[in-house]
Amino acid sequence: ELKVEQNPLFLSMQEGKNYTIYCNYSTTSDRLYWYRQDPGKSLESLFVLLSNGAVKQEGRLMASLDTKARLSTLHITAAVHDLSATYFCAVDNDFGNEKLTFGTGTRLTIIP
Amino acid sequence: ETGVTQSPTHLIKTRGQQVTLRCSSQSGHNTVSWYQQALGQGPQFIFQYYREEENGRGNFPPRFSGLQFPNYSSELNVNALELDDSALYLCASSVPRGGLNTEAFFGQGTRLTVV
Repeated sequence: ELKVEQNPLFLSMQEGKNYTIYCNYSTTSDRLYWYRQDPGKSLESLFVLLSNGAVKQEGRLMASLDTKARLSTLHITAAVHDLSATYFCAVDNDFGNEKLTFGTGTRLTIIP
Repeated sequence: ETGVTQSPTHLIKTRGQQVTLRCSSQSGHNTVSWYQQALGQGPQFIFQYYREEENGRGNFPPRFSGLQFPNYSSELNVNALELDDSALYLCASSVPRGGLNTEAFFGQGTRLTVV
């Protein structure tokens, strides 16, 4: 059974600081997704990582994938308050059929 | 906006009742997946429909059932509601391309409360 673990579960950081969220998964997969979720809202797609070594950046967020280590990271640079949300990683556990197993989520709070 | 729409957005049901949730997939997407997200948890895969057939199921009891229609819209039915069924229900649509599905796009969700 595929397991996806994120850490930390909760992260409170000051504006302007850098931090990294980690996502580990237990079985082979080369499709990993990062989503953002605001309270009471649906999932907003941030990144789709489709191969080993993939790196994608959008604004202050950068995601990477190491399929050999079964590890993805979401790096936040110079955090701003608008980035406060819950972030989920998800792994496609059916080789391209988009049946996703989600991590537990990281609740990020940016303090002014 | 992802083009995936769900209805209703909120509803309240009594324990033991039955509920039907609806999802219209993004234009051209023939695959619909349903997820349950309990408060404070990550979404959990319920099942997927592809071309009107169930195409995989997560660890949910048979009282969770679904349908997909020829226009690829979908329904999620839950019988004999329990308090623990209270959650945000999300549907996502995608389409196979070159042997792999495209990225799944999520609807805004239906918040179900069972009292």
